[in-house]
Amino acid sequence: GQQVMQIPQYQHVQEGEDFTRYCNSSTTLSNTQWYKQRPGGHPVFLIQLVKSGEVKKQKRLTFQFGEAKKNSSLHITATQTTDVGTYFCAEPPPRGGSARQLTFGSGTQLTVLP
Amino acid sequence: DADVTQTPRNRITKTGKRIMLECSQTKGHDRMYWYRQDPGLGLRLIYYSFDVKDINKGEISDGYSVSRQAQAKFSLSLESAIPNQTALYFCATSDPSDRGEKLFFGSGTQLSVL
Repeated sequence: GQQVMQIPQYQHVQEGEDFTRYCNSSTTLSNTQWYKQRPGGHPVFLIQLVKSGEVKKQKRLTFQFGEAKKNSSLHITATQTTDVGTYFCAEPPPRGGSARQLTFGSGTQLTVLP
Repeated sequence: DADVTQTPRNRITKTGKRIMLECSQTKGHDRMYWYRQDPGLGLRLIYYSFDVKDINKGEISDGYSVSRQAQAKFSLSLESAIPNQTALYFCATSDPSDRGEKLFFGSGTQLSVL
């Protein structure tokens, strides 16, 4: 079945440091999505990447889709305490496969130390 | 997201009891989902429904059943709860006409089975 590997699962950073997390897939993707879940909250959609090598920015967050469309990354510049949460990538079902819904990675829980 | 409402928010029950978790949405989306979240395991799909007459098993459907009473309502039942069903449960919706079809999650139901 489709597998979504997220590296790392937990990460602590000092406030002001940068943070990067990766998401690797066992298949070539048509697109990938990213979600954020604040502590005690629910996942909220952040962004979707569609094109090979695509880079999108949201303020201090930079998302990139791999050239081969098998991996993606999230980079946060100068982390702030408001960045605390768990970040998930999610992938659509592979074309021609039997699955019809998103597969989520296990998530990376980011802690920002003041 | 206030447009996707889950009840109850918290529930404690005993092994063997029947439990129903309810989800309603005002987004007008045809597609609804039930996910389970466990620490370190991300979000795993239990059941999903693409319209009122369509019900599909997800990755971990054993021990669960669902009912799509109307476009706006999708309930999840545990016929005989067991302790390893202790988890955080999320309902979600999506719109197939939305490019990328992002998910909108409810606030979650924390279920504890003693």
